[in-house]
Amino acid sequence: KAGVTQTPRYLIKTRGQQVTLSCSPISGHRSVSWYQQTPGQGLQFLFEYFSETQRNKGNFPGRFSGRQFSNSRSEMNVSTLELGDSALYLCASSLVGDGPYEQYFGPGTRLTVT
Amino acid sequence: AQSVTQPDIHITVSEGASLELRCNYSYGATPYLFWYVQSPGQGLQLLLKYFSGDTLVQGIKGFEAEFKRSQSSFNLRKPSVHWSDAAEYFCAVGPLNNNAGNMLTFGGGTRLMVKP
Repeated sequence: KAGVTQTPRYLIKTRGQQVTLSCSPISGHRSVSWYQQTPGQGLQFLFEYFSETQRNKGNFPGRFSGRQFSNSRSEMNVSTLELGDSALYLCASSLVGDGPYEQYFGPGTRLTVT
Repeated sequence: AQSVTQPDIHITVSEGASLELRCNYSYGATPYLFWYVQSPGQGLQLLLKYFSGDTLVQGIKGFEAEFKRSQSSFNLRKPSVHWSDAAEYFCAVGPLNNNAGNMLTFGGGTRLMVKP
């Protein structure tokens, strides 16, 4: 099976712009979660989507949003970029049920805000 | 609130030596425990997981971990480290039943360096 794919892999944006990142989960996985990784804050949960609905949200401002499509692919959007949004954004997918099910991670999108 | 602590930020071991990376967690319910590894510039690769049963679990690349409920610990071990094991290692906890949500809480990570 193909793994989790994320596009683009690298992105450079200017402060104030917006950005959209894409994630394609493993075939059959309907849960997609997003995480932000920075040297200072480590790995932090952004949000999770399942069946096109946001099920959980981490402690991030409303500038961070996402959505999931009917084929389980997901996008996340960051509006009005700030320098502190520079990070590696990781997407993970998993099965859902009475569990337990592990999350599989993609290679990440490295976002640099200048 | 759940939390995961990895007390060692950096560890350096000689190639061929044994390794133990520490992980302590705080979780309201029975947790589902993981160790992930991240090479520079890469995503996270699952090394092993524990959710029930035998408290000693085997993973990929020769790693194992032991769950100790009384100590709220899930330490990662390897009997003989190879230079290719140099990476950052993350311990994580998640819900045993993810029907209501699927959020992982990660420790801060331990960066492993291997001396030749």
